[in-house]
Amino acid sequence: DSGVTQTPKHLITATGQRVTLRCSPRSGDLSVYWYQQSLDQGLQFLIQYYNGEERAKGNILERFSAQQFPDLHSELNLSSLELGDSALYFCASSDGQGARKTQYFGPGTRLLVL
Amino acid sequence: QKEVEQDPGPLSVPEGAIVSLNCTYSNSAFQYFMWYRQYSRKGPELLMYTYSSGNKEDGRFTAQVDKSSKYISLFIRDSQPSDSATYLCGSEGGGSNYKLTFGKGTLLTVNP
Repeated sequence: DSGVTQTPKHLITATGQRVTLRCSPRSGDLSVYWYQQSLDQGLQFLIQYYNGEERAKGNILERFSAQQFPDLHSELNLSSLELGDSALYFCASSDGQGARKTQYFGPGTRLLVL
Repeated sequence: QKEVEQDPGPLSVPEGAIVSLNCTYSNSAFQYFMWYRQYSRKGPELLMYTYSSGNKEDGRFTAQVDKSSKYISLFIRDSQPSDSATYLCGSEGGGSNYKLTFGKGTLLTVNP
């Protein structure tokens, strides 16, 4: 158990809908990262927050947004969902920034868009 | 072309074999290189990371980076069935660029 929790574990929804994925980092970790994993694209970095501020952005679509709250939990909002958004979404946390700081991954949220 | 390329396998070896997993990358700015292991239906976990070129050893695992050829390797000695997982190589630009770029992962099965 990495100490990172993600809810829900599974999510089934329809195209055009909006969903919110939630992540609670390890106790004391200030950085939160979001990743998308699919068979064709692999594990792709979406966005990183550090102590409430956005610090790095990857291949995150404009339909997706995220935020980190004062209690350090984070939410990833996915809107106008398309079939291609079906994937595993991982949250990771670290006590600092960058590869020099180990990122601990949560168990993921499996999203299926029908 | 993806910035980090990795042969997805699958790779199947007998227990006790030496396993070699490899990646190539294209971005010269990458300075930090890491290997993650992901068991089925779990999140990835960091195995090891290295900075710039060179070797790093941790038990049965050795990570190797050759920046001149942009080649990243992970060697597993005396492989065990518990090593069966997907192995992801990744890179980070360093400095203020915290974006991690991963290969697609190689599925390894170690047969008893």
